Amino acid sequence: AQSVTQPDIHITVSEGASLELRCNYSYGATPYLFWYVQSPGQGLQLLLKYFSGDTLVQGIKGFEAEFKRSQSSFNLRKPSVHWSDAAEYFCAVGDNAGNNRKLIWGLGTSLAVNP
Amino acid sequence: GAGVSQTPSNKVTEKGKYVELRCDPISGHTALYWYRQSLGQGPEFLIYFQGTGAADDSGLPNDRFFAVRPEGSVSTLKIQRTERGDSAVYLCASSPRLVEQFFGPGTRLTVL
Repeated sequence: AQSVTQPDIHITVSEGASLELRCNYSYGATPYLFWYVQSPGQGLQLLLKYFSGDTLVQGIKGFEAEFKRSQSSFNLRKPSVHWSDAAEYFCAVGDNAGNNRKLIWGLGTSLAVNP
Repeated sequence: GAGVSQTPSNKVTEKGKYVELRCDPISGHTALYWYRQSLGQGPEFLIYFQGTGAADDSGLPNDRFFAVRPEGSVSTLKIQRTERGDSAVYLCASSPRLVEQFFGPGTRLTVL
């Protein structure tokens, strides 16, 4: 069965520091991979996605992620964090084998940013 | 353009009551999904519509939960005989051509 693991429940970084949020997935084939961000009181917003091709994908708000098949990972990175990046981050995998693209989600990583 | 909208934004009900949660997807999106998110958890898949039909309802927890999408646009999630364990944020997402999903703000359901 498909699954997503986000090992870090909570991370605190200083503003201006670099960030890496980890995501590992379990899936039999090449998955569709997503990172979403959820701010308090807001809906889930798509940061970036990987379907195929270049394994380094660029997203909105200066985020990027790298798909590493050998490690079953899709880690999210940002070179310099801003205070407004404080939010909950979710990694998700989509089933691309059939017609259903339902998403399987990790538990999320809560990011706090110190001034 | 307009995004996915969900009404109500908050719903408080008593145990045993019936509730309906509404989702208006982005115009033209044929796929519609319902998820449930409990506190401190990631979203959990409930049901997926392709057009008017429920293509996958394997995530519905039991027969108290039902969803419809009669005209292939607006969808309603219906919960009968609500229980305290049903308290969660119910999320709706729509998608064009089974690609990325766009989420609404959610409905926070509280069962007292």
